Parts: sequence; C-alpha cells; structure tokens
Amino acid sequence: GDSVTQMEGPVTLSEEAFLTINCTYTATGYPSLFWYVQYPGEGLQLLLKATKADDKGSNKGFEATYRKETTSFHLEKGSVQVSDSAVYFCALRENTGGFKTIFGAGTRLFVKA
Amino acid sequence: DADVTQTPRNRITKTGKRIMLECSQTKGHDRMYWYRQDPGLGLQLIYYSFDVKDINKGEISDGYSVSRQAQAKFSLSLESAIPNQTALYFCATSDNAGWTQYFGPGTRLTVL
Repeated sequence: GDSVTQMEGPVTLSEEAFLTINCTYTATGYPSLFWYVQYPGEGLQLLLKATKADDKGSNKGFEATYRKETTSFHLEKGSVQVSDSAVYFCALRENTGGFKTIFGAGTRLFVKA
Repeated sequence: DADVTQTPRNRITKTGKRIMLECSQTKGHDRMYWYRQDPGLGLQLIYYSFDVKDINKGEISDGYSVSRQAQAKFSLSLESAIPNQTALYFCATSDNAGWTQYFGPGTRLTVL
C-alpha cells in the first residue's frame, strides 16, 4: 500500500540555520503531498501542499517541491527561528480509492537561540 | 472559538473501564476521522466517516468503536480499556475532496 517515510529526529539547529527534513513516498497512483506541523500541546495544522509533479508548496518561509522522479517532497527553510520548534509530518493523499491521507512518523525539530 | 473541539483533553482511567471521547466541529464538513498518535509511529487511522450514515474501519480499529451522532459530532469509544491504548487521540475533519484535514487539540488518554 501507499506509505510515507521521513527522516528520524530529533533535529537540533541553531537559530538562522538552514533546515532540510527529508520525505519520500511510495504510491501506486499520483498522490497529493502535504507537510503538517504540530506545535506543543496542539493538533496538526497544514503547513503547505503540492498536488502534482514539479509543484512547489510554500508557506511561512518553508518550501517543498513535489519530485516524481525521486518520489520525494523534502521540506526546507533558509533560516529557522526558535518559534519553528515543532514536530513536522509529511503526508500523502490518495487520489483513488478511499482518498485517505497517510502520515509519516513525524520529525521533531528543536531550534536553539 | 476552535473549529474542531475534543473532550476531555486529558483522561486517566483503569483497565477494563469504558471510555468515550467526543469530537465536535463547526466547519460544516461531512468527513470526520479519529487518529491515534504514539511516539515514533506518527498518526494511525482508527475510524473514519464520510457522512452521518457512513462508518469505516481504519488501520487499527480493534478495541475501538465509533458513533456519528450528527454531521458535527463523532465519538470514539473504548469498550474495555487496556494499557496499550494509552496514547494521544486526535479527531479531524475534511471537506468532501479531502484535500486538507483540520485537527482538534487532542485527548491524552492514560490507561492504568
């Protein structure tokens, strides 16, 4: 079945460092791809999405590009802030069958001042 | 006010007890979901409902049941709680296209 694999955390960075969180997927069709963020004590919220190959999703300085050839959707930010500390989940939405959303295991990010 | 609310936010119970977790939404969405979150495992889908008369099992439905009382309400029950059901439980909604899911704040359940 469809699945999402993302890099294990925690990832610890200093403020203003460059962030990459890797995400790869396995899917039988052509899914839509998402990054969700979970701040401490809260539910997940959508950060960005891309619905087809080569699309770039962006929000709040974060970016991710849908790469069909490498089945990847890596999350990047040029300069992280302490307020970016959270857990980040990569996800895919099936575009056939049950149209379910499948989540990766999450990557915890700590940003130090 | 939050679009998706969950009650209770925290619950401690004993093995064998029946527990109900409640979810309400004001987004007007037909689709609702219950997930379980365990450290290192991400989110696992327990049950989902595409409308009031539709209930579907997810990946880990054993030991759980649900009730869709209205478009806005979707409850999760543990008929006889066991310690390995200790986890963080999230309710979510989406529109009919399912593009984006909107999550509640979660219920932290501890089964002793």
